[in-house]
Order: sequence, then C-alpha cells, then structure tokens
Amino acid sequence: DQQVKQNSPSLSVQEGRISILNCDYTNSMFDYFLWYKKYPAEGPTFLISISSIKDKNEDGRFTVFLNKSAKHLSLHIVPSQPGDSAVYFCAASRKAAGNKLTFGGGTRVLVKP
Amino acid sequence: DAGVTQSPTHLIKTRGQQVTLRCSPKSGHDTVSWYQQALGQGPQFIFQYYEEEERQRGNFPDRFSGHQFPNYSSELNVNALLLGDSALYLCASSSPTWDFYGYTFGSGTRLTVV
Repeated sequence: DQQVKQNSPSLSVQEGRISILNCDYTNSMFDYFLWYKKYPAEGPTFLISISSIKDKNEDGRFTVFLNKSAKHLSLHIVPSQPGDSAVYFCAASRKAAGNKLTFGGGTRVLVKP
Repeated sequence: DAGVTQSPTHLIKTRGQQVTLRCSPKSGHDTVSWYQQALGQGPQFIFQYYEEEERQRGNFPDRFSGHQFPNYSSELNVNALLLGDSALYLCASSSPTWDFYGYTFGSGTRLTVV
C-alpha cells in the first residue's frame, strides 16, 4: 500500500521558469509533510515542510501548497535554477506514529540553462 | 558541526553473508532511523532507535536488526543477505523535539550483494 505517491517520475523545465512538483497521499492521519532534495551520492536534504493545519508555506523560491480535501500537495520553485536539478522526494509523517517518514518515489527535475 | 556520518560508503557482499553498517548522528540528536532506498524508489523506513531501544519498525524481516549505543550512534545489521538487499542504506537522526526540519540524513552506504 503506497501511501505517498509522486506520479511524475521526471520533469524538465527551462531556467527561470516555474517548476511544479506534485504529490498525492492516501492517509488522512498524516500531520506533517516535507520535501527533500537529493543529489547523486548524497543523502536527502530538507527543503521545506508544511503542517496539516496550514495550506501554504513559503521559503524564498520554494512554496509548498497543501490541499487536504484532495489529499494533494505541490512544491513550486520559482524561478528555477540549474542548481535545482536533482531528485525531489515528498514525505509525510504522523506524530502518533513516531514521526517516521513515508516517502514518495521521487521526481527527477532537470533545469535547462 | 558534523552532520550525520555513515560508514562505510560502499560495500560489496556475497549472498548469504552478514553485514554491519554504522551511523553517527548529528550533534544534539538522540533518535536514529534507518531507511532503505532501492534504485529508482523512495526511501523506505526500516526502524527507529531511541534510548537504545527499537521504538518502531517498518515492513522488514527479522534479518534486519539494529542497535543504538549510549553515545546515540547506531548499527544496522543484515543477516543472510539476498540479492534484493542491494540498495542505498540511509541513516537519519532527529532531535528530541523533532522540529519541523524533520530528519537530517547521512550520505548513505551503498550495499551491493552479488
């Protein structure tokens, strides 16, 4: 049972344009959602998070939107830069379950100069 | 300030062998979690250690076991290795308050079973 899904395995975008990454989940008990970025040969690094009681969180070029009724979240990167080329994972956690992370399968983003 | 350190970085083992992976958490963190990332997939939760005890476990067989030491460092042991155990093994640590930064991950140990 895959509780967190990223249906787009890859995304290609022109430098300066917006990158939109999507993530769907099935467990309505998740109370925190996080986005991680991963470069080859490195571990995932935290990017941005959002609590289930909010619908938007912004940090510089990164904005995460949460639609609880649709069980959907998205990450917007504006403007996209070549250094943003990486694999992005969305993850969800539940405090009552010890905050273990349930990850999606990842989306590979390529930002073309 | 060192982050999460894992050793070794790469490892090649033969089917049926046993392996031990090591992790030192970030300074100030007391909880260690282990994840398995197969090629092309997202990380999957193996287990979590806190106060030297396994607090949670994911859907992994008993061949996967762990340990946490008094200094919060941790080991992941896998017995009777299968080809399907080939993956990147990630260690993640978190603070007692688990702030919204979630977990800090190490760079992982790439295990290849032949």
